[in-house]
Amino acid sequence: AQKITQTQPGMFVQEKEAVTLDCTYDTSDPSYGLFWYKQPSSGEMIFLIYQGSYDQQNATEGRYSLNFQKARKSANLVISASQLGDSAMYFCAMREVNSNYQLIWGAGTKLIIKP
Amino acid sequence: SQTIHQWPATLVQPVGSPLSLECTVEGTSNPNLYWYRQAAGRGLQLLFYSVGIGQISSEVPQNLSASRPQDRQFILSSKKLLLSDSGFYLCAWDSQYTNQPQHFGDGTRLSIL
Repeated sequence: AQKITQTQPGMFVQEKEAVTLDCTYDTSDPSYGLFWYKQPSSGEMIFLIYQGSYDQQNATEGRYSLNFQKARKSANLVISASQLGDSAMYFCAMREVNSNYQLIWGAGTKLIIKP
Repeated sequence: SQTIHQWPATLVQPVGSPLSLECTVEGTSNPNLYWYRQAAGRGLQLLFYSVGIGQISSEVPQNLSASRPQDRQFILSSKKLLLSDSGFYLCAWDSQYTNQPQHFGDGTRLSIL
């Protein structure tokens, strides 16, 4: 079974609009961390934001925020006021305490911002 | 601050030739090290990871191998490349804490002819 599911293979969003990228996860481990990465066409993987399973508040980093709904096992990335430079692949990943600290990756969502 | 270097950035190799990709980390000690492969437009496939010198775990059976001769050096090798080895290879490191992200090198685009 998929441990990380990103249901949107691709998205088109108008510049300056907010965008939500979906991520659901599956784990029985009570302690885990969730990560979002951005991969532009140049290929580098850029860490965006982290949410811990015990964190009481949703994580925020500048224009990025994480809509963490623990009971639903979802960790959606919200990008406010999208910019052309936000066009990229976005990956959700999870690390469980009992997984030798390896990251489990989703398949990614390709986001294209339209001018 | 910590940095990760991966080279070469681009490589074109004939089928059957050997391969050596190198990755080094600076500014940290005893990192976990990882090799991933990514097909075009797809997600990351973990190939190898290492938690210490000489300790290599393989996730996918293939004709690739990895070695960690020094604490902050991770090498991906092959004796004979196959067409299916084409792809984008990424090296990454992290520390042994759940809340720490993995940090990636810039990647190597490998084309097999």
